[in-house]
Amino acid sequence: DARVTQTPRHKVTEMGQEVTMRCQPILGHNTVFWYRQTMMQGLELLAYFRNRAPLDDSGMPKDRFSAEMPDATLATLKIQPSEPRDSAVYFCASGLGTGAPEETQYFGPGTRLLVL
Amino acid sequence: ELKVEQNPLFLSMQEGKNYTIYCNYSTTSDRLYWYRQDPGKSLESLFVLLSNGAVKQEGRLMASLDTKARLSTLHITAAVHDLSATYFCAVDRTGTASKLTFGTGTRLQVTL
Repeated sequence: DARVTQTPRHKVTEMGQEVTMRCQPILGHNTVFWYRQTMMQGLELLAYFRNRAPLDDSGMPKDRFSAEMPDATLATLKIQPSEPRDSAVYFCASGLGTGAPEETQYFGPGTRLLVL
Repeated sequence: ELKVEQNPLFLSMQEGKNYTIYCNYSTTSDRLYWYRQDPGKSLESLFVLLSNGAVKQEGRLMASLDTKARLSTLHITAAVHDLSATYFCAVDRTGTASKLTFGTGTRLQVTL
């Protein structure tokens, strides 16, 4: 059963610390998305990659957030330094990236981040 | 800027009843998604609607799309407790299943 995996599932850290979240997309998917979910803002697209190249990171605060795909099986989202307002659930999703009619995005279980 | 609005935001309904969730969006799009999210869980894709007049059904859920009205509906027939979840619609801004803008979500609670 192919699934998107994310680590860690939960993270509690103190303000100012670096946070790294990791995502393994479904094998064969060439598009990876990072979303943030909060009660106030709902689900927001932060950034996405196709074939490991960043296509859009306009939703991401540039001063403290960075996203990379070191290889086809790993995507990372880093926050440095973290702030309490970064507390949220961060979802990774992946897709085939072909634009085929029935194509959809498959979401991982999320990383629940709490910054104290 | 694309806006996606859902209503109602919260829906409490009895088992066996029918109801409809509405999703309005502000700019043209030919691809709309419905997702389900259980509390504390991830999002699960329910439907992809691709063209005007598209209708899809799975069990007690039926989704439709009217691109001219920029409206999609998710109809629940004879609700059961297992359908309790939050339902999101999402509009594809690119036509390539990429930049999705999500609605606010509708939290559905089905009571016995």
